Amino acid sequence: DIQMTQTPSSMPASLGERVTISCRASQGISNYLNWYQQKPDGTIKPLIYYTSNLQSGVPSRFSGSGSGTDYSLTISSLEPEDFAMYYCQQYDSSPWTFGGGTKLELK
Amino acid sequence: EVQLQESGPGLVKPSQSLSLTCSVTGYSITSNYWGWIRKFPGNKMEWMGYISYSGSTSYNPSLKSRISITRDTSKNQFFLQLNSVTTEDTATYYCARWGYTTDYYYYFDYWGQGVMVTVSS
Repeated sequence: DIQMTQTPSSMPASLGERVTISCRASQGISNYLNWYQQKPDGTIKPLIYYTSNLQSGVPSRFSGSGSGTDYSLTISSLEPEDFAMYYCQQYDSSPWTFGGGTKLELK
Repeated sequence: EVQLQESGPGLVKPSQSLSLTCSVTGYSITSNYWGWIRKFPGNKMEWMGYISYSGSTSYNPSLKSRISITRDTSKNQFFLQLNSVTTEDTATYYCARWGYTTDYYYYFDYWGQGVMVTVSS
């Protein structure tokens, strides 16, 4: 299985701050990398697909980048609704696997 | 709009089977792929498996001997059965559509709200 190491596991941050979450795969995944957001009420929604493509309706302050084994999600200026859990997920090979999650907390 | 809703018992005894239903509205399950994902206490997420538009299935090898995903196309529902559960199967279970774009990029584009299942005697 491809292991996805997501860092940091938690991140205190302030409104308006720029933050970056990293995801490292145990082997190259050819950009087959998605990002999801889970809100405190449990609802999950896609943010970014295939490394850098913004899901329809997701604000442009979210962006994704990366290649090979290293990928990142950046939020350019934190809004109150962005404090949530974030997960990366690879689908280069089965079984599809997720990162361990990053909890974005208000500082 | 595509909507998914999980349902099933919130408490299952160890060694018994866990059975969940995902009811889909706004889209036919005879198109696309439909999956189950669970989130454990402590935040780890695990893809469990999927059923395809044709009814074929794919499972996470870590579960392969215990899991079954089936469907009822007349009701537009698909199901999860996990056998011989232990306390380590305590998790929030989600169903989701594995969708794709016009460029054939794939991702879980619609999710249910999740159902918490506790395995305890």
